[in-house]
Amino acid sequence: DIVMTQSPDSLAVSLGERATIHCKSNQTLLYSSNKKNYLAWYQQRSGQPPRLLLYWASTRESGVPDRFRGSGSGTDFTLTITSLQPEDVAVYYCQQYYTSSWIFGQGTRVEIK
Amino acid sequence: QVQLVQSGHEVKKPGASVKVSCKASGYNFNTYGITWMRQAPGQGLEWVGWISGYDGTTNYAQNFQGRVSMTIDTSTNSVYMELKSLTSHDTAVYFCVRADSKSAAGWGRFWGQGTLVTVSS
Repeated sequence: DIVMTQSPDSLAVSLGERATIHCKSNQTLLYSSNKKNYLAWYQQRSGQPPRLLLYWASTRESGVPDRFRGSGSGTDFTLTITSLQPEDVAVYYCQQYYTSSWIFGQGTRVEIK
Repeated sequence: QVQLVQSGHEVKKPGASVKVSCKASGYNFNTYGITWMRQAPGQGLEWVGWISGYDGTTNYAQNFQGRVSMTIDTSTNSVYMELKSLTSHDTAVYFCVRADSKSAAGWGRFWGQGTLVTVSS
């Protein structure tokens, strides 16, 4: 089974500063035939359902601010919030969709320092 | 616009069953399946399973095999998830989610508001 591991579990960043979240898979999420990484990122604010931020590891969902950037390939991925805003306080999850089982990382809590 | 509207809060006793509904609108119901996720209080997201909106084919997570049943009603564009033999560990918010793919694999673009299921004696 694919296992997704995020780091850190939580981080506190000053407003306007960069927040970086890592996601590691124990199997490649890069599909060789189309060269796409089957990874998505979500934001979950308190009391809300998750919100899709990125898919194909780096493609922003419509309406998502460009301060959210995804990178990485294969087994190692990164979500970067380039300039943290108050509304970015949330838990962030990565999810693999290489297989039909929706496996998420354990989540990373982002707070304001 | 795509909407998924779920049924309300349920309180059940251990050993009972619960059936949560998810009514879809704003798209061709037959084209996409629905995934069910759950989230225990303060915890992460756990995949429960998937059902096709086309023919009701299901794919359940191993952890729930034998205890979960998903069905569709194409006359009302609704999906149902029934979970049996409830224990306190099943206390969670249950979400229905529509992916952007016709298969079970995909990313969750549209989420229901969530249904809290509380299991307590």
